[in-house]
Amino acid sequence: DVKVTQSSRYLVKRTGEKVFLECVQDMDHENMFWYRQDPGLGLRLIYFSYDVKMKEKGDIPEGYSVSREKKERFSLILESASTNQTSMYLCASSFGRGRAEAFFGQGTRLTVV
Amino acid sequence: SQKIEQNSEALNIQEGKTATLTCNYTNYSPAYLQWYRQDPGRGPVFLLLIRENEKEKRKERLKVTFDTTLKQSLFHITASQPADSATYLCALAPNTDKLIFGTGTRLQVFP
Repeated sequence: DVKVTQSSRYLVKRTGEKVFLECVQDMDHENMFWYRQDPGLGLRLIYFSYDVKMKEKGDIPEGYSVSREKKERFSLILESASTNQTSMYLCASSFGRGRAEAFFGQGTRLTVV
Repeated sequence: SQKIEQNSEALNIQEGKTATLTCNYTNYSPAYLQWYRQDPGRGPVFLLLIRENEKEKRKERLKVTFDTTLKQSLFHITASQPADSATYLCALAPNTDKLIFGTGTRLQVFP
């Protein structure tokens, strides 16, 4: 079974802190994604990576950056956390090359106080 | 602007009936469209993918249609059960593999 693992299930951080959310997949997938999910707004794509060190901005990249130094790991970085970044963050991966189904992690509920 | 729209109102149906959920998109020409199920507090789980040259796809009690002229996909659950209660999301990749989701429709099946 494909496994996508996010480093934390729940996280509480203070405003202004630098926050790292880590995601690891074990199926050698090319593509990895970071989404945030808020009530009424659905899943919104923050960043997408299609290869090591390659990334594309999603719909809401402002305030976030990403890092993909190894194929299996995709990190989301909040440079200076703000209260409007309180949300559920979901990581996903897909094989790509026509095999498009995405596999999701369990999510990280981040609260910024 | 590019949009994927799903009915934001919850769909309530009686057990045994067919549930039909709608996904409309504008300003995309996707090669395929996907449907996912999401339970509260969990990540979405892939259900079905339909390609632009397929009109219909089935998997057990699930059926998906894809009309590229209307820019619409319909997702049907036949003989619905209370265990089918969840939020259902459609998704497409406008180009490359970058996957964009609709807002989802919550389905509630009552006995």
